[in-house]
Amino acid sequence: KQEVTQIPAALSVPEGENLVLNCSFTDSAIYNLQWFRQDPGKGLTSLLLIQSSQREQTSGRLNASLDKSSGRSTLYIAASQPGDSATYLCAAPSNTGKLIFGQGTTLQVKP
Amino acid sequence: NAGVTQTPKFQVLKTGQSMTLQCAQDMNHNSMYWYRQDPGMGLRLIYYSASEGTTDKGEVPNGYNVSRLNKREFSLRLESAAPSQTSVYFCASSRAGAYNEQFFGPGTRLTVL
Repeated sequence: KQEVTQIPAALSVPEGENLVLNCSFTDSAIYNLQWFRQDPGKGLTSLLLIQSSQREQTSGRLNASLDKSSGRSTLYIAASQPGDSATYLCAAPSNTGKLIFGQGTTLQVKP
Repeated sequence: NAGVTQTPKFQVLKTGQSMTLQCAQDMNHNSMYWYRQDPGMGLRLIYYSASEGTTDKGEVPNGYNVSRLNKREFSLRLESAAPSQTSVYFCASSRAGAYNEQFFGPGTRLTVL
């Protein structure tokens, strides 16, 4: 059974810092992993989807990696900005085809 | 493209009232989903429709019904609302199943008094 965990629940960094958000999963037979961003009171915005055959996926200042053997994905944000402040969620499909979400990491980037 | 749209954005109901949440997507996706998001509980799947004409229960289906009206539209109905159904409801869609990228609507914030 796939379980997804995100630690820490909250993170505060100064503007300009490079940072890494963590996502752990229990089933290494993962098909893919999706990272989302959620702003307060808003829906989820898909950031990156990384396939099991890929090790990395990049979009602008974001880079997602996937290591199936360690059960870990990371989302790297370069040169963080106050506009990056949001909750970041990762999700992976279970073997029954449903998406399993982590609890999210709430990021605050201080000017 | 509007992506995934949901109506209404906000709704307040009294216990026992009924209502239907509407969802539509314009991405020609086959699969559609309804989630609820509660503090400390994360996102939980209520119902999903893998393709037009099919619907299946998710993790928390009790108290809800769904209708896949056509390929574009997927509605969620609360027949007799209860305070425990106070939540934020999200609709999502994907090309075909949870193995494809999911796209979310803006959500409906529902309060049941």
